[in-house]
Order: sequence, then C-alpha cells, then structure tokens
Amino acid sequence: EAQVTQNPRYLITVTGKKLTVTCSQNMNHEYMSWYRQDPGLGLRQIYYSMNVEVTDKGDVPEGYKVSRKEKRNFPLILESPSPNQTSLYFCASSSIVAGELFFGPGTRLTVL
Amino acid sequence: AQKITQTQPGMFVQEKEAVTLDCTYDTSDPSYGLFWYKQPSSGEMIFLIYQGSYDQQNATEGRYSLNFQKARKSANLVISASQLGDSAMYFCAMRDLDSNYQLIWGAGTKLIIKP
Repeated sequence: EAQVTQNPRYLITVTGKKLTVTCSQNMNHEYMSWYRQDPGLGLRQIYYSMNVEVTDKGDVPEGYKVSRKEKRNFPLILESPSPNQTSLYFCASSSIVAGELFFGPGTRLTVL
Repeated sequence: AQKITQTQPGMFVQEKEAVTLDCTYDTSDPSYGLFWYKQPSSGEMIFLIYQGSYDQQNATEGRYSLNFQKARKSANLVISASQLGDSAMYFCAMRDLDSNYQLIWGAGTKLIIKP
C-alpha cells in the first residue's frame, strides 16, 4: 500500500530535550516536505527536499533541522524543543511530475 | 506573489444539499496545479481533487467537482448531495509546476453539515 508513515504519532516532551520525528514514504517520490499546523494559521512549510541530499527552508524553519540521506526518509529534528513548537506536524511527499501531495497521518507534539 | 484565498471561514449546509466552497488564486505562472484537501476532526489530510492549469475540462471525482474558471482565477469545490461525513475543514492549494513545486495553501473553510 502506497503510504507516508510518521512516528511517533503523539509525543509529549520537555523543553530542551532533543527529538526526532521520522517520516518514510514507499512511493519513490522525489519531493518531501514538513509542515506544521496551528489553529488559525493553517499549514506552514518548515523544510522541503527536492531529492536526496537536497533540502531547502520553507516558511518557518527556525528551530528545526532535516536531512535527506535516502530517498524514502526525511526525518525532522528538533535540537532543543521549546513550547512554541507545540503543534501538529505533517510529513508529505509527491512525485514532482504528478503534483499531488500525499500526507502522513500527522504527529501531535506537545513541548512542556 | 502567489496567493490562495478562501473567503469562507465557516459554512453550515443542510444534509443532501449541494455546497460550493470558494477558492481564488493569484499567480503569474502559466503552469500550475490546483488541489483540494479535506481534513476531518481526526486530523488526517485527505486529497480530494486536482485541476491542472492546462486541463480543458473541469475535474470530477465522485461527488466532488472543481469549478475551474481560469480567467477569473477561481477554483471552487462543489460537493453534491452533502453527507454528515463531509463535515470537515477544506483546504485549497496551488502548486507551481514550472519551478520550485511548492504548494501555497489557503486558510481553509470549516464545513458543517446539519442533519
């Protein structure tokens, strides 16, 4: 089954404790992206990647890191999480040619 | 700059009625794609329908159709015979197909179907 998986789905952590949210897709997509969604602010892009070893900042990259060492994986790293990073996070992927973005199930992160 | 506008923050519609969700966009690029996604209260993002800027006919997917008016730069989503399960947030998005493939998102419309 074609899908984008994210782990964990729910996470409660404390300020300053490094965490990684994993994202994997099995559709051989070139393009992958991370979004955060906050009430009233819609979807905001954090980082995106057009292919392996190619990453770029989105609209709200501060406080986040990403890597794209393999085509299928695109982890999101919070080196020192803060409460303002409490949000719903989505990973998404697409074939650049096809255009449609496939979303993962989302990760609800709470930083205390 | 590219922009997506959804002017309806919320809508109430009677079950079984048709509903139109508005979306207008702004771009100077000739090649782009327009998308609609549904987000139910459970949180997942569900792809509904896609319209390419060069597509001659309006896209349809089951009860969903996209009323694409290129000259007016509008891409309204039409849901026929609404159901209670259609209650959700609906997002319109646009993707530039010539350059960086980034999606521009609208703020969303919250649709509530009344029984």
